[in-house]
Amino acid sequence: QSALTQPASVSGSPGQSITISCTGTSSDVGGYNYVSWYQQHPGKAPKLMISLVSNRPAGVSNRFSGSKSGNTASLTISGLQAEDEADYYCSSYTSSSTLVFGGGTKLTVL
Amino acid sequence: EVQLLESGGGLVQPGGSLRLSCAASGFLFSDSAMTWVRQAPGKGLQWVSTIISSGVGTYYADSVKGRFTISRDNSKNTLYLQMNSLRAEDTAIYYCAKSYRGVLVDFDCWGQGTLVTVSS
Repeated sequence: QSALTQPASVSGSPGQSITISCTGTSSDVGGYNYVSWYQQHPGKAPKLMISLVSNRPAGVSNRFSGSKSGNTASLTISGLQAEDEADYYCSSYTSSSTLVFGGGTKLTVL
Repeated sequence: EVQLLESGGGLVQPGGSLRLSCAASGFLFSDSAMTWVRQAPGKGLQWVSTIISSGVGTYYADSVKGRFTISRDNSKNTLYLQMNSLRAEDTAIYYCAKSYRGVLVDFDCWGQGTLVTVSS
């Protein structure tokens, strides 16, 4: 199972909005609404930010939102803050009854 | 408070074996599917294996199938990963994680990880 495709890096200034894409196939992202997003700060465990394409778990800021169109899912962070600087990973259930992560995107807040 | 605490990592020679444990607390462990995810140094996340709440159903990544075995003891609130025939490419931090919305969907609680190094 190949990793989902994410941009290696994105950047934005405080207060701006950024979007991270996550591209798969009809066998994973496009076939199911089982896409999730995780935030990982250096040396820390991942944290679930978005579940089931667009649902925020309790405690996650409403500045984080998710969507999907076809085989591509997206994570949007609005009102960028310094603490948003981290690595972000998408994941999806697959038709092989496995789970696949994206390669990760490093977000830099300028 | 939900907590997951991994242990059992360390240095092992290629071809060797290691068993990881993950002690859970703060939630009904026997009702939750559990998963192992690994992260090689400086690399991304990789799903390794998942076990359903009863322990009857298990799922594995192709890269570990036949070498790794996931299991659980619901009486001890503990998840395990038996790793055999270890290779250099298995070197990683291994995280245990609690399923959130489904068995193979997403994970709302992660441990701090345990480092496995496969090297001669």
